Amino acid sequence: SQQGEEDPQALSIQEGENATMNCSYKTSINNLQWYRQNSGRGLVHLILIRSNEREKHSGRLRVTLDTSKKSSSLLITASRAADTASYFCAPGGSGNEKLTFGTGTRLTIIP
Amino acid sequence: EAQVTQNPRYLITVTGKKLTVTCSQNMNHEYMSWYRQDPGLGLRQIYYSMNVEVTDKGDVPEGYKVSRKEKRNFPLILESPSPNQTSLYFCASSLLNLARTPNEQFFGPGTRLTVL
Repeated sequence: SQQGEEDPQALSIQEGENATMNCSYKTSINNLQWYRQNSGRGLVHLILIRSNEREKHSGRLRVTLDTSKKSSSLLITASRAADTASYFCAPGGSGNEKLTFGTGTRLTIIP
Repeated sequence: EAQVTQNPRYLITVTGKKLTVTCSQNMNHEYMSWYRQDPGLGLRQIYYSMNVEVTDKGDVPEGYKVSRKEKRNFPLILESPSPNQTSLYFCASSLLNLARTPNEQFFGPGTRLTVL
């Protein structure tokens, strides 16, 4: 399996600002998923982007995928205190049944 | 309500005492998986299952067993727990896409295990 690597490890911003976090991976993918985890709780799926898509939106979330650079980014616009959480990417490899998570980006929104 | 349930939510046990953590989903998902989460190490996959009677090792399977006798249940068994298995454990389930890889995963609430 391949593991996504999120960057930065931690990010603190003021409420209302935009937050951007990145994910890099090593081998070809079928799709890439982003998840959120509030402290000590189960992960919650945010968005799935397929390898033939370049950008996808869901509410205040925007995900981009650049397969040539093997990277993805998650943008959260107009951040809120409730967005404080850890964010994980999970690259889904072609024919790979394993879905592996990295160590995540810990996002803190300062009221 | 569509959900993944895990039991127990918290467990303190001693080295060598066999234990089972249950996981159940009501969404008719083919794919089920167990993860452990440790500080600084992220989530690591222990075992996964593509369907009934089909299980395979993840990245950290040592010291664990699983079974998939029914589609909805995927118990995690620690035959002889050791302190290095103290961790936060998550069960997850999903449908499989046409490429037979997992789609959106639904996670259980977690089981916090302490092995003394």
